Amino acid sequence: EAGVVQSPRYKIIEKKQPVAFWCNPISGHNTLYWYRQNLGQGPELLIRYENEEAVDDSQLPKDRFSAERLKGVDSTLKIQPAELGDSAVYLCASRGFWQGQGAQYFGPGTRLLVL
Amino acid sequence: GQQLNQSPQSMFIQEGEDVSMNCTSSSIFNTWLWYKQDPGEGPVLLIALYKAGELTSNGRLTAQFGITRKDSFLNISASIPSDVGIYFCAGQLGAAGNKLTFGGGTRVLVKP
Repeated sequence: EAGVVQSPRYKIIEKKQPVAFWCNPISGHNTLYWYRQNLGQGPELLIRYENEEAVDDSQLPKDRFSAERLKGVDSTLKIQPAELGDSAVYLCASRGFWQGQGAQYFGPGTRLLVL
Repeated sequence: GQQLNQSPQSMFIQEGEDVSMNCTSSSIFNTWLWYKQDPGEGPVLLIALYKAGELTSNGRLTAQFGITRKDSFLNISASIPSDVGIYFCAGQLGAAGNKLTFGGGTRVLVKP
C-alpha cells in the first residue's frame, strides 16, 4: 500500500512570496490532516478534513493560510504571503474511517525555509 | 490547553541496552500513540494504545497506557543502532479522527 505522498519535499522562498504544498493521502482514507512541526517540537494540527469538508480549522492562521480538498482526495495548503516565522516542516497525515482511533499515517513532509 | 511532557528530552544508548521513556499529561486522553521520526522524514506509527492499563508490544517495543489515562511509557529492549531517532508520544481525546496532541519528543542518540 502506497503511503501519504507530499510535494515538494523542500522549498526555499523569500518572505512575502506565496507558497503551496500538495498532499495525496493513502487510497481510501477519508480523513486528511495538515500539521506544522517547528524545529525541535512535535507536530501541531493546522486543519482537518472529513472528505471535502474542513471540520477543524481552529488552529489555521486564516489571514495568510488557506487549504482546500476539492474532491475529497488530494489537498493543497497555501501560504500567502509567507513570513519568516512560517519556516517549519508541513506534514500531511491521513486516516481511514475503518481504523482504530488515533491511527494517523504521516507523509514525509515539506520543509519550508523562508528567507 | 493540553500539554504532553516527554522525558527524558534526550538519551544516549549503547547497542544491546534496554531504554525507557515516558510521557505525562495534565489531562486525560482516550488514546495514546507512539511515533518515531527519522531525520528528513515524517513520523512513523509504532504502537497505538486504546484502553487504560493496556500493555502492547511491537517486536522489541513495549508501550503501556497508564491507569490514570494521563501517562504512557515506551520501552525498547536490546537496542540497535537503527533505534536512533526522535520518539514522540501523542494523545487523542474524544471521537475517532480528532487531532493528535504531541509531546516534545525524546531524542535517542548513540553513545560515542
